[in-house]
Amino acid sequence: KQEVTQIPAALSVPEGENLVLNCSFTDSAIYNLQWFRQDPGKGLTSLLLIQSSQREQTSGRLNASLDKSSGRSTLYIAASQPGDSATYLCAPYTGFQKLVFGTGTRLLVSP
Amino acid sequence: GAVVSQHPSWVICKSGTSVKIECRSLDFQATTMFWYRQFPKQSLMLMATSNEGSKATYEQGVEKDKFLINHASLTLSTLTVTSAHPEDSSFYICSARSLDATYEQYFGPGTRLTVT
Repeated sequence: KQEVTQIPAALSVPEGENLVLNCSFTDSAIYNLQWFRQDPGKGLTSLLLIQSSQREQTSGRLNASLDKSSGRSTLYIAASQPGDSATYLCAPYTGFQKLVFGTGTRLLVSP
Repeated sequence: GAVVSQHPSWVICKSGTSVKIECRSLDFQATTMFWYRQFPKQSLMLMATSNEGSKATYEQGVEKDKFLINHASLTLSTLTVTSAHPEDSSFYICSARSLDATYEQYFGPGTRLTVT
């Protein structure tokens, strides 16, 4: 059974810092991997999708990497802003294209 | 593109009643949709996979007779919580899978169910 762990569970930083959020998964036999953000009481916003054949994806200040062999993915946020405050979820696509969600990292960026 | 809607966005019902939640893919056809549940301060847990024109596949521990799923068209899946109880109060989120090779799932905004 796939298990996804995200470290740290919570993170509080001042505005402007560069951040690294970590995700590890126990079964390396995954297809794609996706990073989401979730604001309190809201649904999910897709940030980046890394396809199985890719090692990283970039969108604006976000960069996500994937190392399937080691069961790890990282999300790098450059020059953090208060609007980045949210919970970040990592989710690999496993067999039958199911998503397994990680435990999440709650990020607070203070002005 | 790839917009998924859910209705209602929130609902309050009395214990013992049934509630239906709709999930629609607005600008694409989805042969496969997924239903998730999220309890406070927890991550999303997959409840079931909904396939157009066939029976849903439920995850272990999810009661199929309690959570009825119908996927009657390529753009609509419904989740009915039957005989709801307070412990069913949760945030229910659906997703629709794209038909391209990425298999990316597009998520709806969620439905908050409160059972009193």
